[in-house]
Amino acid sequence: QVQLVESGGRVVQPGGSLRLSCAASGFSFRTYAMHWVRQAPGKGLEWVALISYDESDNNNADSVKGRFTISRDNSKNTLYLQMNSLRDEDTAVYYCARDDILTGRMDVWGQGTTVTVSS
Amino acid sequence: QSALTQPPSASGSPGQAVTISCTGTSSDVGGYNYVSWYQQHPGKAPKLTIYEVTKRPSGVPDRFSGSKSGNTASLTVSGLQAEDEADYYCSSYAGGNIFVFGTGTKVTVL
Repeated sequence: QVQLVESGGRVVQPGGSLRLSCAASGFSFRTYAMHWVRQAPGKGLEWVALISYDESDNNNADSVKGRFTISRDNSKNTLYLQMNSLRDEDTAVYYCARDDILTGRMDVWGQGTTVTVSS
Repeated sequence: QSALTQPPSASGSPGQAVTISCTGTSSDVGGYNYVSWYQQHPGKAPKLTIYEVTKRPSGVPDRFSGSKSGNTASLTVSGLQAEDEADYYCSSYAGGNIFVFGTGTKVTVL
């Protein structure tokens, strides 16, 4: 079945780095754009980053610009989020979601992976 | 990249209708027909409920409908059911490969 599974979340110290992964299965990953969306404890959803199906387009939210990098490996059906210079406010559940043509139609979501930034 | 504005809460009795607003600007909600709505139950991932302002994904009941006027989009849930109690978030394309979510609305079925 169509599925996204995130991994890589853990406790990390402020200033540290982390790479999240999102493994896709059950659909043609290489034909879909992808997003990362996060949700801090008890807070709302926040869009983090997007990447087009062929990596020709990508962008980040201002809150993570210069620190987070989205990438993908279509040969491995996997999406990544490289997170550097982590701050307390980056503590959140991170979800990956697919989008067919970058219209914000995020129709499949993973279960989320938890990142905790704490000393 | 300011969050879209939603009321914190909304409520209705079973069978009634509830409408949630999502207010942005001419640079996001008002500028594009790429407004989506997501339902999120506690501890679960969000679920796409409406996309491109008015379209329903397959499997979403026709009790859910979307609309837009100017810089404000709306989600209406008609014939409220107990399982509709959840948090609802709007989202809009904001140009330049940027998206923005709303502040979220907790819907309570009385």
